[in-house]
Amino acid sequence: AQSVTQPDIHITVSEGASLELRCNYSYGATPYLFWYVQSPGQGLQLLLKYFSGDTLVQGIKGFEAEFKRSQSSFNLRKPSVHWSDAAEYFCAVGPETDKLIFGTGTRLQVFP
Amino acid sequence: DAGVIQSPRHEVTEMGQEVTLRCKPISGHNSLFWYRQTMMRGLELLIYFNNNVPIDDSGMPEDRFSAKMPNASFSTLKIQPSEPRDSAVYFCASTRDRQETQYFGPGTRLLVL
Repeated sequence: AQSVTQPDIHITVSEGASLELRCNYSYGATPYLFWYVQSPGQGLQLLLKYFSGDTLVQGIKGFEAEFKRSQSSFNLRKPSVHWSDAAEYFCAVGPETDKLIFGTGTRLQVFP
Repeated sequence: DAGVIQSPRHEVTEMGQEVTLRCKPISGHNSLFWYRQTMMRGLELLIYFNNNVPIDDSGMPEDRFSAKMPNASFSTLKIQPSEPRDSAVYFCASTRDRQETQYFGPGTRLLVL
């Protein structure tokens, strides 16, 4: 069965520090992978996506993610976190885009 | 270009009442999705439409929930009768085709007392 695991429920970092949010998936074929961000009281906004090709994907707001098939992972990274990055982050996997399965989310807190 | 529009943004109702949530997808998008987000269950897909036709409603929790898409620019999600456990944030999302990104609306926060 398809599934997405985000092992970290809550992460706290200092502003300017690097960030890595983990995402592991279980899927039988080559997955479509996504990272979304949700600010409080808002809908989800796409940060980046991987369909095929280069396994290192660049997204908006300085985020990137790397698809590692051998580890079934799609971790999200940012070299220097800004206070405005505080939000909840969701990883999602799908056969295409019409049956996305979302992880439970990681809440990021940023200290000044 | 306007994004996905949902109304109302907030809804408070009493148990047993009918609730109707509305969604206007992005113009030109042909797939529409309804999600429910709760602390306990996270983000769940309830139903999705392609070209106004329901494709998969396996996520609809029970018969009290129904969804319609009478045309390409409008969809409703109805709960009748509502129960306190239906309290959640309901999101609508749309996409142009199966290989495109889903764009989410701001959500409707529903509280059933």
